[in-house]
Amino acid sequence: DGGITQSPKYLFRKEGQNVTLSCEQNLNHDAMYWYRQDPGQGLRLIYYSQIVNDFQKGDIAEGYSVSREKKESFPLTVTSAQKNPTAFYLCASRLGPQVNTEAFFGQGTRLTVV
Amino acid sequence: AQSVTQLDSQVPVFEEAPVELRCNYSSSVSVYLFWYVQYPNQGLQLLLKYLSGSTLVKGINGFEAEFNKSQTSFHLRKPSVHISDTAEYFCAAYNTNAGKSTFGDGTTLTVKP
Repeated sequence: DGGITQSPKYLFRKEGQNVTLSCEQNLNHDAMYWYRQDPGQGLRLIYYSQIVNDFQKGDIAEGYSVSREKKESFPLTVTSAQKNPTAFYLCASRLGPQVNTEAFFGQGTRLTVV
Repeated sequence: AQSVTQLDSQVPVFEEAPVELRCNYSSSVSVYLFWYVQYPNQGLQLLLKYLSGSTLVKGINGFEAEFNKSQTSFHLRKPSVHISDTAEYFCAAYNTNAGKSTFGDGTTLTVKP
């Protein structure tokens, strides 16, 4: 089955550590996105990539980094510079940036700082 | 700049009653509008979308939405809700020029027996 997979589902991080969240899709989509979700704040865009080897900052990129070395993979690293990383993180993909189809979402990763 | 406003953060309703979740958008360019549903600790699933053509759009689970260009609205409706409709609902606008979406803050629909 085609889809988008995020792992792990739950992640615990000690203060000062970097952690990497995985996002893989087998939909052959060009565009991929990372969102952060906090209660009552909807989805906020962290980073997005419209094509392999290219990505852009979203609205809240500080303290995060990404790479897009392969079309199917878009990992997100939460660095120690992110002061309040506890949140629900969602990865999404879309057929292409200039294509007006819907986004497909992964099941999310819940990150907690301990 | 593009923005999406969901006018109600919480909507409680009794089972089998009708419901409307309100969404307004603003954009200086053409947008494509979507409603998504999110169940606890899960990702978002598409309910319906407006791309062009008929302004009344039908989606899954008996939901429909009407695109109103003059009022810049895209309200979601269901004539009779079920307990299983309890979830968070997000309205989103996609800008092909920017290649990214803007989401509303979400509306929590709670269906009571």
